Amino acid sequence: SQQGEEDPQALSIQEGENATMNCSYKTSINNLQWYRQNSGRGLVHLILIRSNEREKHSGRLRVTLDTSKKSSSLLITASRAADTASYFCAKKNSGYSTLTFGKGTMLLVSP
Amino acid sequence: SQTIHQWPATLVQPVGSPLSLECTVEGTSNPNLYWYRQAAGRGLQLLFYSVGIGQISSEVPQNLSASRPQDRQFILSSKKLLLSDSGFYLCAWSVRTNTGELFFGEGSRLTVL
Repeated sequence: SQQGEEDPQALSIQEGENATMNCSYKTSINNLQWYRQNSGRGLVHLILIRSNEREKHSGRLRVTLDTSKKSSSLLITASRAADTASYFCAKKNSGYSTLTFGKGTMLLVSP
Repeated sequence: SQTIHQWPATLVQPVGSPLSLECTVEGTSNPNLYWYRQAAGRGLQLLFYSVGIGQISSEVPQNLSASRPQDRQFILSSKKLLLSDSGFYLCAWSVRTNTGELFFGEGSRLTVL
């Protein structure tokens, strides 16, 4: 399977703490993307990291990519209750116009 | 700016009834269009994608079909719904570049009874 697999499946933290989610994959990628989904809503694109990049930042988000280990991590710093959502990684394979999504990490941030 | 509209938001249908979910995109031309399904507590499964009018690729054999009658319109259909068709259906679009970044609609919750 070329699916991205997130780890952990669920994560519960307190406001102000950092949240780290991981994603692994099996085949070569063109890029890897992270999306957020609030309960019952559509997904929203957060950040994209290309295969030749190792780290990327956007506000409180930090994404790393290790192509040798075929893994990526999403770090949310100084989490807020509003960060409560499911987070998905999605892989873009070279030559394909579609993304393959993992099963997601459900993040709960308690006030 | 680009927007995507998906309807209906919620649908309850009996087994064996037909289905039509519609998705339209505004503010862009020649988008790639996608239908995903999300089962409870699971990831997204790509059902169909389209790179142009009348061009539909199916990822998973199933009871569903898709059509693209206009450049920015994507329709998901079924002639006879099954219980297993229940789920959260998401339409998405992307620009025809190599990044594949997707922009999603708000989803349609289908319950088949």
